[in-house]
Amino acid sequence: GQNIDQPTEMTATEGAIVQINCTYQTSGFNGLFWYQQHAGEAPTFLSYNVLDGLEEKGRFSSFLSRSKGYSYLLLKELQMKDSASYLCAVMDSNYQLIWGAGTKLIIKP
Amino acid sequence: DAGITQSPRYKITETGRQVTLMCHQTWSHSYMFWYRQDLGHGLRLIYYSAAADITDKGEVPDGYVVSRSKTENFPLTLESATRSQTSVYFCASSGTENSPLHFGNGTRLTVT
Repeated sequence: GQNIDQPTEMTATEGAIVQINCTYQTSGFNGLFWYQQHAGEAPTFLSYNVLDGLEEKGRFSSFLSRSKGYSYLLLKELQMKDSASYLCAVMDSNYQLIWGAGTKLIIKP
Repeated sequence: DAGITQSPRYKITETGRQVTLMCHQTWSHSYMFWYRQDLGHGLRLIYYSAAADITDKGEVPDGYVVSRSKTENFPLTLESATRSQTSVYFCASSGTENSPLHFGNGTRLTVT
């Protein structure tokens, strides 16, 4: 079956760096997405990786290793507003999105 | 303003009632999706549509019906609501099959 694994919850301190991991097993691969979802709100797109390597976008970076079925989202200089759930989703060979259950990130002052 | 809007934002209905959740997008995106989100689960796809008059079942389609007579609208109907359909429902759209999804603000549905 197809599966996405990510930690349920993580805690970090304001100003620090946190890495949220995502491992996947899917039928084929057509890209990996990261979304941010604040409590009570809709998910919003953060990043897309289809080739191996690191994509940087301001304080957020996303890394992909297709051979290992692994990605991470790196958040630097954490701010209180980064408290949210982070959703990893992989697009399989049929262009269907497989979603992880999300990682709830708690930022402490 | 361009965007994707869902209505209503909140809905309480009784078991056995029919209820329709609306979704409207102004980007002329080809692809539209309906998801439900429950605690402990990732987003689960109910139905999707690649174009007007083309719809397909997702992971959890039972008890739901969709239609897409116009590109911009993609209503979701619960024909006879059950308590297990209490959830937050998100509509989303994308321009191509592998472009990022744009989500509506969601409808929180409670079935009593």
